Amino acid sequence: ETGVTQTPRHLVMGMTNKKSLKCEQHLGHNAMYWYKQSAKKPLELMFVYSLEERVENNSVPSRFSPECPNSSHLFLHLHTLQPEDSALYLCASSYGQGSSYEQYFGPGTRLTVT
Amino acid sequence: QQPVQSPQAVILREGEDAVINCSSSKALYSVHWYRQKHGEAPVFLMILLKGGEQKGHDKISASFNEKKQQSSLYLTASQLSYSGTYFCGTEASTSGTYKYIFGTGTRLKVLA
Repeated sequence: ETGVTQTPRHLVMGMTNKKSLKCEQHLGHNAMYWYKQSAKKPLELMFVYSLEERVENNSVPSRFSPECPNSSHLFLHLHTLQPEDSALYLCASSYGQGSSYEQYFGPGTRLTVT
Repeated sequence: QQPVQSPQAVILREGEDAVINCSSSKALYSVHWYRQKHGEAPVFLMILLKGGEQKGHDKISASFNEKKQQSSLYLTASQLSYSGTYFCGTEASTSGTYKYIFGTGTRLKVLA
């Protein structure tokens, strides 16, 4: 595998379920990101990790819980979600954290909350 | 508040030119441009880090006017492969803290 991979690609979950999204980057990058992309809305940055430490949390509800066990892996743990959380969740990585570095995106996980 | 992109959508014929603007109400530190095709991940196009900077490759170029808090993306002699949604990603300062925010997006469709 090369680049940034995400699993699963599609997920349907009930409001009481607990699930996790996984992201893996094979680029040797040190920063990883979670974004939410809803229909007809701009990409929203949710979390930023740099060298496995969370450096940014953009007022995301606590029902989303990120985890970065190492610089290659990023998880987004989901619990008691709401229907409005249905969206495309994109993971990205970059060599460093900050605007000097281009981000490489994964294909996303299409999440539907029923 | 996210940067506003204009136009929201544009349809071109192959070979025509287009300009996409990204305007912010805050002072911009940098601008990134990405293209996202339907059902695919956004793909990086270019970064502009300094006011007055201009960059380009192939027939796509961009400029960054720091004072106007604006960036523009220029698509010259458009090709079918240029179709997609274009996003600017901006890093702006809010009360001394830098935040990375994407623009509202511009849908571009190139017709044969």
